[in-house]
Amino acid sequence: DIQMTQSPSSLSASVGDRVTITCRASQSISIYLNWYQLKPGKAPKLLIYTASTLQSGVPSRFSGSGSGTDFALTISSLQPEDFATYYCQQSYTTPTFGPGTKLDI
Amino acid sequence: EVQLVESGGGLVQPGGSLRLSCAASGFTFSSYWMYWVRQAPGKGLVWVSTINSAGTSSYYADSVKGRFTLSRDNAKNTLYLQMNGLRAEDTAVYYCARGVGTSTTFDYWGQGTLVTVSS
Repeated sequence: DIQMTQSPSSLSASVGDRVTITCRASQSISIYLNWYQLKPGKAPKLLIYTASTLQSGVPSRFSGSGSGTDFALTISSLQPEDFATYYCQQSYTTPTFGPGTKLDI
Repeated sequence: EVQLVESGGGLVQPGGSLRLSCAASGFTFSSYWMYWVRQAPGKGLVWVSTINSAGTSSYYADSVKGRFTLSRDNAKNTLYLQMNGLRAEDTAVYYCARGVGTSTTFDYWGQGTLVTVSS
C-alpha cells in the first residue's frame, strides 16, 4: 500500500492567516490526491480532488498543488468555519489517507 | 440534495455481528460505486470496502476480508455492510461514501455510525 504522511500534525492559527498543509506519498501518485475536511459529528467534506481541482461549492480560499509525491493544501485567509482536521488521500491505487492535520485557534 | 444516512451501529461483544445500512437519496444510486471508510477513536481514516454500481463486485481491506460483506439493494437505494466476527479493533465510526466514477475519490459522505466492540 502507498503510505501517506502529512505535516504538521497540528497547527494553531488565527482568522485571516494563510496556512499550508503538506502531504507526501511513499511513491509517485501522479495527481491522484484528494483533500478532505472533517469536523466532529459532521459528514466529511471533499475540498480538492486530483491535486488542484476545487470541488463544487468549496470556497476559493482553498487551493491545492503538487504532483508526483509532494502536495500541499493552502487556505489563503482562514475563516472561523475552517478550524477542523484535514486529511489527504491518494486515489492512485487502493485508497489510503494521511494521518490528518488538526487546525485550531 | 445528495444525502447518505448510516444506521445500525451500536455496542456489540467481541465475536458478534452487526449490519450497517446506508440510505441514499438525491441521486441515481444505481449509477455509483459506493464505499465504507472508518475512523477509530483518535485515529485517522481507513478505507474498508468498495462495491461497484451493479453490486456484482466488492473489495475489502485485508483487515476485514473474510469477516465483512458489502452488498447493495439498488431498488431500495441502500448499501449494507454485514460485519461478522467483530474485534475490539473494529471499534470506529463507519462512514459510507459515494465515489466519483470508478475512482476512489469520495465526493459525498454520511455523518457516520459508531460501532463499539467491547465486552
